[in-house]
Amino acid sequence: SQQGEEDPQALSIQEGENATMNCSYKTSINNLQWYRQNSGRGLVHLILIRSNEREKHSGRLRVTLDTSKKSSSLLITASRAADTASYFCATASGTALIFGKGTTLSVSS
Amino acid sequence: SQTIHQWPATLVQPVGSPLSLECTVEGTSNPNLYWYRQAAGRGLQLLFYSVGIGQISSEVPQNLSASRPQDRQFILSSKKLLLSDSGFYLCAWSGIMGQGFNTIYFGEGSWLTVV
Repeated sequence: SQQGEEDPQALSIQEGENATMNCSYKTSINNLQWYRQNSGRGLVHLILIRSNEREKHSGRLRVTLDTSKKSSSLLITASRAADTASYFCATASGTALIFGKGTTLSVSS
Repeated sequence: SQTIHQWPATLVQPVGSPLSLECTVEGTSNPNLYWYRQAAGRGLQLLFYSVGIGQISSEVPQNLSASRPQDRQFILSSKKLLLSDSGFYLCAWSGIMGQGFNTIYFGEGSWLTVV
């Protein structure tokens, strides 16, 4: 089944720096999504990028998609302590979304 | 607007005891419903999904079962819990996948500790 794998597993940065997380997947997709999970909470949808899109922005988030390399990246600019969370990419497999193992981002002030 | 409720939030159960986690969705009809499990520090594993009342698909063989007795109600059960059933269980809903409703909305999760 399709599955996203995030890289790195963990990332620690200072406030104000940019954070980049990568996701690789195995088979062709219609779209790829990124979700965020605060510790001990449910996941929240951040952004969806369709297979015919190469880049998408939402506030401080920038997502790119390279279908030839089967990869996507999530860039968070000017990070804040409140961005500390785990970030997951997800791809559709039939009726459900399959998630990767996530990147844990720590932003220190 | 749509909301999803999941309970209980935390649960400590002895090995061999039964389990029932419940999830309800409000503000939408005929949603797709999902149960995911997240082991400590791990990614999400899809356990079950349902596209309608009484229709349950299982993704992995396990000690758990799911039921959908009503359109917006999804229940995760076990007759006898194992230590390996410990984890964070997340219920979620979506519209019909692939028809412009690709986003999944999650509940707040249920922490299960089997002792």
